[in-house]
Amino acid sequence: DTGVSQDPRHKITKRGQNVTFRCDPISEHNRLYWYRQTLGQGPEFLTYFQNEAQLEKSRLLSDRFSAERPKGSFSTLEIQRTEQGDSAMYLCASSIVLGLFYGYTFGSGTRLTVV
Amino acid sequence: GQQLNQSPQSMFIQEGEDVSMNCTSSSIFNTWLWYKQDPGEGPVLLIALYKAGELTSNGRLTAQFGITRKDSFLNISASIPSDVGIYFCAGQLGNTDKLIFGTGTRLQVFP
Repeated sequence: DTGVSQDPRHKITKRGQNVTFRCDPISEHNRLYWYRQTLGQGPEFLTYFQNEAQLEKSRLLSDRFSAERPKGSFSTLEIQRTEQGDSAMYLCASSIVLGLFYGYTFGSGTRLTVV
Repeated sequence: GQQLNQSPQSMFIQEGEDVSMNCTSSSIFNTWLWYKQDPGEGPVLLIALYKAGELTSNGRLTAQFGITRKDSFLNISASIPSDVGIYFCAGQLGNTDKLIFGTGTRLQVFP
């Protein structure tokens, strides 16, 4: 499978618990992105990495959120002390930078439900 | 967060009809992209546009990058049932890779 892989596909957690999601990008892609999508809306940018460096973070990424990309391969997104408002689809995407911007390849997402 | 204005919000059409949807922004974008999202899946890239005025086709899909660089439209000709889904426009801001997405157009195709 050469696509972007996200795990788990679904996560139900109780309010206050910590959760961690994993993303494996397309192997030759050097950029990795995290987006959040709530019901009825388009995806909203959270953060992105070039190799292992986190280049930009959105104001949407509160202190409870942290993303890492050790060794510039897979990435994890952790949410601490989850709140009901964190319920959303978390999308990972990757791209390769070769002059023109060719857009991203998205994974299938992790749907988080906080109860 | 910022979202682009996309219209219409939803469309219900008969198989074989043509479809048109558009996207407007108050910001100028370097690149416009159109994605399709099926339920429970991530968005899939359909078309990318790089120059103001550019008209690009991908099979039955045609998209244009507006002259003002603040809008784009997507046409689907001779719709088929598998065209059902949510279509999102997205604009690339400045020199970053960050994309701003539209609010989506939900397309339903009836046989």
